[in-house]
Amino acid sequence: GAVVSQHPSWVICKSGTSVKIECRSLDFQATTMFWYRQFPKQSLMLMATSNEGSKATYEQGVEKDKFLINHASLTLSTLTVTSAHPEDSSFYICSAGPHNEQFFGPGTRLTVL
Amino acid sequence: KQEVTQIPAALSVPEGENLVLNCSFTDSAIYNLQWFRQDPGKGLTSLLLIQSSQREQTSGRLNASLDKSSGRSTLYIAASQPGDSATYLCAGGIQGAQKLVFGQGTRLTINP
Repeated sequence: GAVVSQHPSWVICKSGTSVKIECRSLDFQATTMFWYRQFPKQSLMLMATSNEGSKATYEQGVEKDKFLINHASLTLSTLTVTSAHPEDSSFYICSAGPHNEQFFGPGTRLTVL
Repeated sequence: KQEVTQIPAALSVPEGENLVLNCSFTDSAIYNLQWFRQDPGKGLTSLLLIQSSQREQTSGRLNASLDKSSGRSTLYIAASQPGDSATYLCAGGIQGAQKLVFGQGTRLTINP
């Protein structure tokens, strides 16, 4: 199957700082990537759709000014959590896929102190 | 709005048993149905993908079925092994199949 990578795998930051998470498609081009968030013992919730060369589409209730998404190339999407607070601590996972099957990155564990 | 539900939330069985995990969805206009496995603290591993025109898919000891009319999918695991212990998530593809709506997952424990 297709391979999606994420970096970093985990990050700890102080409250008020910004954190950037990268999602890369390693062996295919992705005009669309998806960002999900998963709280402990809960399922994945779609945050936004990242579109190469255009603005991201955010799901209802997700603050676009807080979660900045940039999809500057066909293999890279970045999610920046701005002015992070403890309630933003979560597991962030991206997905992408050729055709209509989605492959997921290994996830990024964000802990905000 | 598509909603996906999985039951049971947790399941514990002895090694060697065959088992079925259930997934239901509210909107039959589903593009596809994917089953994933998630180990603690890890990302998702795609297990099986069933297109809307298909009834089932098989991979090794895994068999997934899709019944759009009843809004159900099942994941059958044969001859379970301790290494099968994980959380299993089903997800329905909407809006061109790429956007996924996830169920809450079934936490499976296989006891040696």
